[in-house]
Amino acid sequence: DAGVIQSPRHEVTEMGQEVTLRCKPISGHDYLFWYRQTMMRGLELLIYFNNNVPIDDSGMPEDRFSAKMPNASFSTLKIQPSEPRDSAVYFCASRASSGNTIYFGEGSWLTVV
Amino acid sequence: AQRVTQPEKLLSVFKGAPVELKCNYSYSGSPELFWYVQYSRQRLQLLLRHISRESIKGFTADLNKGETSFHLKKPFAQEEDSAMYYCALKTSGNTPLVFGKGTRLSVIA
Repeated sequence: DAGVIQSPRHEVTEMGQEVTLRCKPISGHDYLFWYRQTMMRGLELLIYFNNNVPIDDSGMPEDRFSAKMPNASFSTLKIQPSEPRDSAVYFCASRASSGNTIYFGEGSWLTVV
Repeated sequence: AQRVTQPEKLLSVFKGAPVELKCNYSYSGSPELFWYVQYSRQRLQLLLRHISRESIKGFTADLNKGETSFHLKKPFAQEEDSAMYYCALKTSGNTPLVFGKGTRLSVIA
């Protein structure tokens, strides 16, 4: 397995634009997590899904953020409109329900100017 | 609420010196603790977990329930150990991991 795959790896966008980050979890994993990493706040859980259903989105900063998981092999995190304070690395991770180890993607480095 | 505290944002040590990355947690139940490592511009990856009681890349960590700690230790630091280290806590069932804010380890030659 290629592991958790995220795209884009890097994105630079202007304030106000819509940003869509994509994630393909490891095949067979039924948990998917979106994290945001910043220098100030470290690694924050934004939302997680189990069997494509959002379980807890209390970490989503505000209504500008939304996440979907239309099927077991794909999830998106959308920011609309984007703001400079959204600049961060966004990680997707997945885990099998039978295991405790979560596996991270390589991250999407977002810069909003 | 469950919480993981890593008191040091940055830790610098000389090559060959011992290193200890501190991690304290708050959880009243029976926890599972993990250390994840992130090398420069790479993905986070599992380093070790307390239930395995193993040594990975020379690192060990012992769960001390009395002190609610899970400090990461290595007797002789190497330059390739320079990375970001995250301590993580798993509580019951299928709850997500709770991460600390991370400690950046810099090993100086």
